[in-house]
Amino acid sequence: NAGVTQTPKFQVLKTGQSMTLQCAQDMNHEYMSWYRQDPGMGLRLIHYSVGAGITDQGEVPNGYNVSRSTTEDFPLRLLSAAPSQTSVYFCASSFGGTGTYEQYFGPGTRLTVT
Amino acid sequence: AQTVTQSQPEMSVQEAETVTLSCTYDTSENNYYLFWYKQPPSRQMILVIRQEAYKQQNATENRFSVNFQKAAKSFSLKISDSQLGDTAMYFCAFREYGNKLVFGAGTILRVKS
Repeated sequence: NAGVTQTPKFQVLKTGQSMTLQCAQDMNHEYMSWYRQDPGMGLRLIHYSVGAGITDQGEVPNGYNVSRSTTEDFPLRLLSAAPSQTSVYFCASSFGGTGTYEQYFGPGTRLTVT
Repeated sequence: AQTVTQSQPEMSVQEAETVTLSCTYDTSENNYYLFWYKQPPSRQMILVIRQEAYKQQNATENRFSVNFQKAAKSFSLKISDSQLGDTAMYFCAFREYGNKLVFGAGTILRVKS
């Protein structure tokens, strides 16, 4: 299994540009999430999904869009990049239910918006 | 909403010694899960240990153990026999519905030789 994969690993954007961060998992996990990591703030939830076709907002959703058309993929779209979106982005996945299912994280994408 | 607080931005410890990282949280739920994650310079998030709130026994994984005080809403991580490879950022996290995680701000741990 490849686990959780994210592309690209690094990206530089200009203000106003749009782009999509890709996330895929091959573990048949129902739950997938996107987090951003900023210095001194830990990881914060942007959007999450509990299954194909179902998404919801997390703590910091503004400026981001998601969709989940398949179990495997959960792309994150930046509609019009802003310097405040400079961050490291992590995708995570896990099985659903109420057990202590471990979240598996991707390697992260470092995004810089100039 | 749940909150997680890590009050130690940075800590250091000598190799082979023991160190304790602090974490407090706030929740109105009675049954929940808590985690400690390690993030080395590679940036990869690695699960260190988990605790189920309904279990009174503190979780242990090799050199890592927790002191879980449910009434005080405290969840500290003890690392025994510290090794250079333990140098990393450590995050405390609370699991919400939908397996969403609420993270603390993190503690940078440096192990010195």
